[in-house]
Amino acid sequence: GAVVSQHPSRVICKSGTSVKIECRSLDFQATTMFWYRQFPKQSLMLMATSNEGSKATYEQGVEKDKFLINHASLTLSTLTVTSAHPEDSSFYICSAPVAYTQYFGPGTRLTVL
Amino acid sequence: EDQVTQSPEALRLQEGESSSLNCSYTVSGLRGLFWYRQDPGKGPEFLFTLYSAGEEKEKERLKATLTKKESFLHITAPKPEDSATYLCAVQAQGGSEKLVFGKGTKLTVNP
Repeated sequence: GAVVSQHPSRVICKSGTSVKIECRSLDFQATTMFWYRQFPKQSLMLMATSNEGSKATYEQGVEKDKFLINHASLTLSTLTVTSAHPEDSSFYICSAPVAYTQYFGPGTRLTVL
Repeated sequence: EDQVTQSPEALRLQEGESSSLNCSYTVSGLRGLFWYRQDPGKGPEFLFTLYSAGEEKEKERLKATLTKKESFLHITAPKPEDSATYLCAVQAQGGSEKLVFGKGTKLTVNP
């Protein structure tokens, strides 16, 4: 299957700082990538759709000014959590589609102190 | 609104004890139904895609089936390494490729 990587795998930061998470498709190109958030013992909730060369599309209730998404190339999308607060602590996962099937990255555990 | 409901929430089996996981869905035109496996602290791992009612797919001890209202993931003679959370997701027809996930079934297989 297609391989998607994420970096970093784990990050701990202080409240008020910004954190950038990278998502890369390693063996294919992706004009679209997806960002999900998963709270403990909950399922994946789609946050936004990242589009190469254009603005991201955010799901209802997701603050676009807080979660900045940049799809810089056909293999890289970044999610920046700005002015992070403890309630932003979660597991962030990206995915990229190949022929409608989405392949997921390993996830990034964000802890905001 | 597209919805996915998985049952049971949790399932404990003895090694070798076969069972099935259920995924009920409502979607405005199904493009595909997906099954994923997720281990703790990791991203979901793709298992199957089903596109139309009556379709079946198999991989080792897993078999996925699809009807117009639900999908089943059958696990035959499970082993402890099959322990994981199994996620079901649907993708609707149309321009968007986004997935709507169920809450998952946490499977524990005891030796």
